Amino acid sequence: KQEVTQIPAALSVPEGENLVLNCSFTDSAIYNLQWFRQDPGKGLTSLLLIQSSQREQTSGRLNASLDKSSGRSTLYIAASQPGDSATYLCAPLNSNYQLIWGAGTKLIIKP
Amino acid sequence: GAGVSQSPSNKVTEKGKDVELRCDPISGHTALYWYRQSLGQGLEFLIYFQGNSAPDKSGLPSDRFSAERTGGSVSTLTIQRTQQEDSAVYLCASSFQGPGETQYFGPGTRLLVL
Repeated sequence: KQEVTQIPAALSVPEGENLVLNCSFTDSAIYNLQWFRQDPGKGLTSLLLIQSSQREQTSGRLNASLDKSSGRSTLYIAASQPGDSATYLCAPLNSNYQLIWGAGTKLIIKP
Repeated sequence: GAGVSQSPSNKVTEKGKDVELRCDPISGHTALYWYRQSLGQGLEFLIYFQGNSAPDKSGLPSDRFSAERTGGSVSTLTIQRTQQEDSAVYLCASSFQGPGETQYFGPGTRLLVL
């Protein structure tokens, strides 16, 4: 059974810092991995999708890497801004085509 | 609208009552998904539709839960004889062709069972 762990559970940093969010998963038989953000009281917004054959994906200030064999993904946020404050969720797509979710990292960027 | 919509946004019901939750996917998206987000439990997969058929119902927590999709568009998640542990946010998502693509989420329905 796929288990997803996100570290840290919460992170508070001053504006402008670069930061890394970590995600690990126990079953490397995945099709892809997605990173989402969730704002309080709202739905989920997809940030990046990395196919299992890819090593990384970039979108603006966000860069996600994937090491499938070791069961790890990282989300790098450059030059953080207060608007980046949200909960970040990682979700690998398992062999049954189900997204399996981590508990998330709650990020607070202080102005 | 351009995004996934869900209704109602909030629902309060009494234990034992039936509830129906509705999801309108993005137009043209053939795949539709239901998830549940419970306090302290995180997000869990419930069911996935490809067109009108549901290849995977394994995530439905009990036989009180059922879902259907008609016309390859709107989906309804029905919970019969609701229990307090059913209280959660129910999220719907859609993708263009299948699970291997980016899933776009609606704002969710917050269900409270008293």
